[in-house]
Amino acid sequence: DTGVSQNPRHKITKRGQNVTFRCDPISEHNRLYWYRQTLGQGPEFLTYFQNEAQLEKSRLLSDRFSAERPKGSFSTLEIQRTEQGDSAMYLCASSLYGNQPQHFGDGTRLSIL
Amino acid sequence: QQQVKQSPQSLIVQKGGISIINCAYENTAFDYFPWYQQFPGKGPALLIAIRPDVSEKKEGRFTISFNKSAKQFSLHIMDSQPGDSATYFCAARVSNDYKLSFGAGTTVTVRA
Repeated sequence: DTGVSQNPRHKITKRGQNVTFRCDPISEHNRLYWYRQTLGQGPEFLTYFQNEAQLEKSRLLSDRFSAERPKGSFSTLEIQRTEQGDSAMYLCASSLYGNQPQHFGDGTRLSIL
Repeated sequence: QQQVKQSPQSLIVQKGGISIINCAYENTAFDYFPWYQQFPGKGPALLIAIRPDVSEKKEGRFTISFNKSAKQFSLHIMDSQPGDSATYFCAARVSNDYKLSFGAGTTVTVRA
């Protein structure tokens, strides 16, 4: 399977804990995007990378959120001091270039106890 | 604020019927309009996309109609099948911006 891979698929944690998610894009895709999807809503843009450079961050990405894409391959999204409102599905997508279709992974569902 | 407004929130259609989902936008800089299909527990999968230089695009049973002057576009699912039961999202993007703005989604249920 050469699609976008996300791990873990489901993360349950207590409020205040830190969590990290990983995304492996489709091979050779130089663009990588993170979105957040809450129940009954469409995905909302968080941030995106061109290779290892983080080019844009949404206002939704508070200081507790940080994303990296070292070496321009996989990416990690870390949430520090999690809050109830962080409960959501975190989706990763990749595209070959910026104007090419974005292909999504199956997401990481975060549940905050 | 949501840049793409989608309706209806849900719809039920009989097998063999036509499902129609509508989207409207305000940002005239949008120039790429994809539709995604999402099943429970899965990520969105690209279904079909259109650019504003054409008024209609058809792929199999799925057709996008685009009305640039009205700033509206719609997805038609012809001969709906139970396997089409899913949530459908319209989206839009500015060419040099790359991030997608999604509608709120439409849950389609196809009754056998």
